[in-house]
Amino acid sequence: DGGITQSPKYLFRKEGQNVTLSCEQNLNHDAMYWYRQDPGQGLRLIYYSQIVNDFQKGDIAEGYSVSREKKESFPLTVTSAQKNPTAFYLCASRGRAGAFFGQGTRLTVV
Amino acid sequence: QQQVKQSPQSLIVQKGGISIINCAYENTAFDYFPWYQQFPGKGPALLIAIRPDVSEKKEGRFTISFNKSAKQFSLHIMDSQPGDSATYFCAARRDAGGTSYGKLTFGQGTILTVHP
Repeated sequence: DGGITQSPKYLFRKEGQNVTLSCEQNLNHDAMYWYRQDPGQGLRLIYYSQIVNDFQKGDIAEGYSVSREKKESFPLTVTSAQKNPTAFYLCASRGRAGAFFGQGTRLTVV
Repeated sequence: QQQVKQSPQSLIVQKGGISIINCAYENTAFDYFPWYQQFPGKGPALLIAIRPDVSEKKEGRFTISFNKSAKQFSLHIMDSQPGDSATYFCAARRDAGGTSYGKLTFGQGTILTVHP
């Protein structure tokens, strides 16, 4: 059953904590992306990766970090430097048929 | 030059009617224009996509119209149904073979409500 799996679905973070969002794909896609979605706004690109061990900053990378040690995995860490982390986070991977998204992780700061 | 502007922000249509959502872009290097459908609490799902070498693409009740000279494209949903109620995003992408890494630039989204 191919697809993109994001976990957890809901995540709560205390002030000053770092949290890591998981994204795994078994579509054999090289390119992977992290987007942030806020109410009433489009999707904004945080980080993207074309191949293993390579990644680039997107439009709103401040306060976030990523790694790409395996083709299948592209975890996103929301650091304490991110001042407004409450949002819906979406991971995507891209193949010849287009870009496909996971089901998202909703992060809330408590 | 990377912006994609989408309108309207929200749209209410009666069942059986036609829903039309419009997008405009600035960057002429964009070469792929997908539409995504998103239900609450879910990730966006690829609905239909078009490349600039054609002016129209139809898949079932969904049609993309593309006007290259005007740098505009639109989604038409024929015979709209209550199950079509969702948020729709247009997007645009530059040539994936360049340094853009196939990044998608999204419009702001349109909340579609189809009344029974």
